Amino acid sequence: DTEVTQTPKHLVMGMTNKKSLKCEQHMGHRAMYWYKQKAKKPPELMFVYSYEKLSINESVPSRFSPECPNSSLLNLHLHALQPEDSALYLCASSQVLRPDYGYTFGSGTRLTVV
Amino acid sequence: GQQVMQIPQYQHVQEGEDFTTYCNSSTTLSNIQWYKQRPGGHPVFLIQLVKSGEVKKQKRLTFQFGEAKKNSSLHITATQTTDVGTYFCAGAQGGSEKLVFGKGTKLTVNP
Repeated sequence: DTEVTQTPKHLVMGMTNKKSLKCEQHMGHRAMYWYKQKAKKPPELMFVYSYEKLSINESVPSRFSPECPNSSLLNLHLHALQPEDSALYLCASSQVLRPDYGYTFGSGTRLTVV
Repeated sequence: GQQVMQIPQYQHVQEGEDFTTYCNSSTTLSNIQWYKQRPGGHPVFLIQLVKSGEVKKQKRLTFQFGEAKKNSSLHITATQTTDVGTYFCAGAQGGSEKLVFGKGTKLTVNP
């Protein structure tokens, strides 16, 4: 299995809702990432997990809460989002702690906040 | 902080013409990676360059890493309509888990 699976593919949520994005990989990768991508922009790093521990938080607002329950799963919990948080949320994983061998990206969750 | 600049932002070519995108970092990189993102898709890893002056080829694609490990280029020979998409370079500094993406070059190919 050489894929990163993200669910759901699309999500529309109100500003008072709580939702979660899920990401799963079975490649044995021990580093997992959340990226945010706005239209016509490059992916922007949000969080990095290494061996199931949060190693980088790029000053992301607390309304985004990551979780790594085990080495195969990565969640992003969403609460009280703003319309400007609408974007494509990409999960990625890599073989080792340092990004020396390329990231495998999931197909993303397209989030719309209304 | 680390910045990765990429030019041009857009490139439109006729099918069969060549295409090049350039990437420049403000700091020395431990490696540089290239990704392709098709319209409506997600980034797909193309290649990684690690060594100073490294050149790698994948069919019609040629990737170069500069001697100072601060710049890189991707050259596509004889473009095809299947080459359309946005090409991103992404660089990492030594010991860093953080991969910084350039702004990307959007390639369109006129058949």
